[in-house]
Amino acid sequence: SQKIEQNSEALNIQEGKTATLTCNYTNYSPAYLQWYRQDPGRGPVFLLLIRENEKEKRKERLKVTFDTTLKQSLFHITASQPADSATYLCALPSGGGADGLTFGKGTHLIIQP
Amino acid sequence: DSGVTQTPKHLITATGQRVTLRCSPRSGDLSVYWYQQSLDQGLQFLIQYYNGEERAKGNILERFSAQQFPDLHSELNLSSLELGDSALYFCASSVGGKGVGDTQYFGPGTRLTVL
Repeated sequence: SQKIEQNSEALNIQEGKTATLTCNYTNYSPAYLQWYRQDPGRGPVFLLLIRENEKEKRKERLKVTFDTTLKQSLFHITASQPADSATYLCALPSGGGADGLTFGKGTHLIIQP
Repeated sequence: DSGVTQTPKHLITATGQRVTLRCSPRSGDLSVYWYQQSLDQGLQFLIQYYNGEERAKGNILERFSAQQFPDLHSELNLSSLELGDSALYFCASSVGGKGVGDTQYFGPGTRLTVL
């Protein structure tokens, strides 16, 4: 089965800098990859989707890259703000032609003022 | 607010009991997904329904079952509860759900505590 690895340690970034989060996966060739944000005690919120034929996707201060050869996605937040502090989850389709997602355990991002 | 509603918000019960969690998807969404989130396992996909039919199964235990009704709301039934079933249960919905990566909108979750 597919395995998704995200940095389990918290990532501390100074306000205004760029935060870069990593998602690595194995045993799988996904048609797309998604990133979600989750705040404590709340449901995940969709941020970005990138498909296998796309190298990069941007949305405001967010940028995602997708390297299917390395089996890796990088998630960047530029000009980071304390309000960006949250857990960020990487997700891949579980397979079978449906859209149930397999999630990584997430990276806890802390933006310090 | 995602537009997905879940009830109840909290549920406390004893081992061996059975509970039902309810989810109403966003208006117009045909797919409903159930996920379980625990501290050690992270967010795990359980099952997906599309327009009333089971579409995909994930790591759902045989003690758990779900259904989607004609009005598209869904229920997740958990029986013979064990301590390890204590977790946050999320419902999500999407417009489609046929493998094209539709955005999933998550509800606020039901926190289940089994004592």
